[in-house]
Amino acid sequence: ETGVTQSPTHLIKTRGQQVTLRCSSQSGHNTVSWYQQALGQGPQFIFQYYREEENGRGNFPPRFSGLQFPNYSSELNVNALELDDSALYLCASSLDDRKLFFGSGTQLSVL
Amino acid sequence: GEDVEQSLFLSVREGDSSVINCTYTDSSSTYLYWYKQEPGAGLQLLTYIFSNMDMKQDQRLTVLLNKKDKHLSLRIADTQTGDSAIYFCAEGDNYGQNFVFGPGTRLSVLP
Repeated sequence: ETGVTQSPTHLIKTRGQQVTLRCSSQSGHNTVSWYQQALGQGPQFIFQYYREEENGRGNFPPRFSGLQFPNYSSELNVNALELDDSALYLCASSLDDRKLFFGSGTQLSVL
Repeated sequence: GEDVEQSLFLSVREGDSSVINCTYTDSSSTYLYWYKQEPGAGLQLLTYIFSNMDMKQDQRLTVLLNKKDKHLSLRIADTQTGDSAIYFCAEGDNYGQNFVFGPGTRLSVLP
């Protein structure tokens, strides 16, 4: 167990809708990263938050946004959902030591 | 941009050694990682190696790094059926951001 929990585990949305995914980091971890894992592929970096500020972003459009809260929880928001957004979304927390600890992910299906 | 490549499938007999290979392109990578993903689960950190090392051993796991050829391997001794999973190689920068993952190698362990 990594101590990182994500909710919900599964979610079905329709194209054009908005979605919020949630993550609770391991206690004391000040950095949270979000990754998108499409079927049959490795995870792709979306962005990272450090002490509630975004401090790194991958090649994802602005409709992917996030928040990190002082209690180590965080959110990933996706607006105007597209079919290609269907994927497993993984949250990972870390504590300055460059080791990522992943949650089990949220499986998002966009119809 | 950075790219990480892995063979997609590996099949071994229980009790044999497994060797999973990975090549990467970013010579500035500071850390290289191996993660394991079981069905329906997130990624579990198995081991990692700092780029100035060429070998690391941790119980049944041995990581070899050839920095000149940008080649990383993971050897699992005495492979068990519980080792059946997808194994991801990843490279990370010195800031702990934007881990780049390979496509994963699906290891099947036959009884």
